[in-house]
Amino acid sequence: IAGITQAPTSQILAAGRRMTLRCTQDMRHNAMYWYRQDLGLGLRLIHYSNTAGTTGKGEVPDGYSVSRANTDDFPLTLASAVPSQTSVYFCASSGDSNSPLHFGNGTRLTVT
Amino acid sequence: GQNIDQPTEMTATEGAIVQINCTYQTSGFNGLFWYQQHAGEAPTFLSYNVLDGLEEKGRFSSFLSRSKGYSYLLLKELQMKDSASYLCATMDSNYQLIWGAGTKLIIKP
Repeated sequence: IAGITQAPTSQILAAGRRMTLRCTQDMRHNAMYWYRQDLGLGLRLIHYSNTAGTTGKGEVPDGYSVSRANTDDFPLTLASAVPSQTSVYFCASSGDSNSPLHFGNGTRLTVT
Repeated sequence: GQNIDQPTEMTATEGAIVQINCTYQTSGFNGLFWYQQHAGEAPTFLSYNVLDGLEEKGRFSSFLSRSKGYSYLLLKELQMKDSASYLCATMDSNYQLIWGAGTKLIIKP
């Protein structure tokens, strides 16, 4: 692995189902982030983690949860998917507070 | 409130120069980033400005005026591969990034 890996690449999900988007980085970055990107809108922060064992809420956290059990992994869970969660989801990491973000390739999620 | 404005779309000709503007209002300021995002791909880092002035990096330059809440990204000698969206983002006093919606740049031969 080099950088950040997200899985799956894309997914079609029935409303009401539970789904976990996976994110793994091998850069030993402390900070990790989950964003969603929708047409015509800027990237919106869902949740973040400044270091392993801590998480925080971003701009649009409702309906999503995260965990940060170790430095490398930062999974995002949709407990009960709704159509408004149809989006492209990007995981990102950074070495410190004002370093550039490194992004994964994204997960395209469609909730029907 | 916090806000970032950039044009939705711009068109330019291969070989020419284009300037993409970004104006911002944020709670505190810890720098401004520009990212490039090709369609269907992840954003990639282009530049970071925290002090006023021009930062040059090859064909790309980025300018910042903190007093005016203004930045621009200048792309010279445009190539077809520069067709992409360009995202402006500022870092507020809590070191959180505030993102613009992006400017889609179309390059014509």
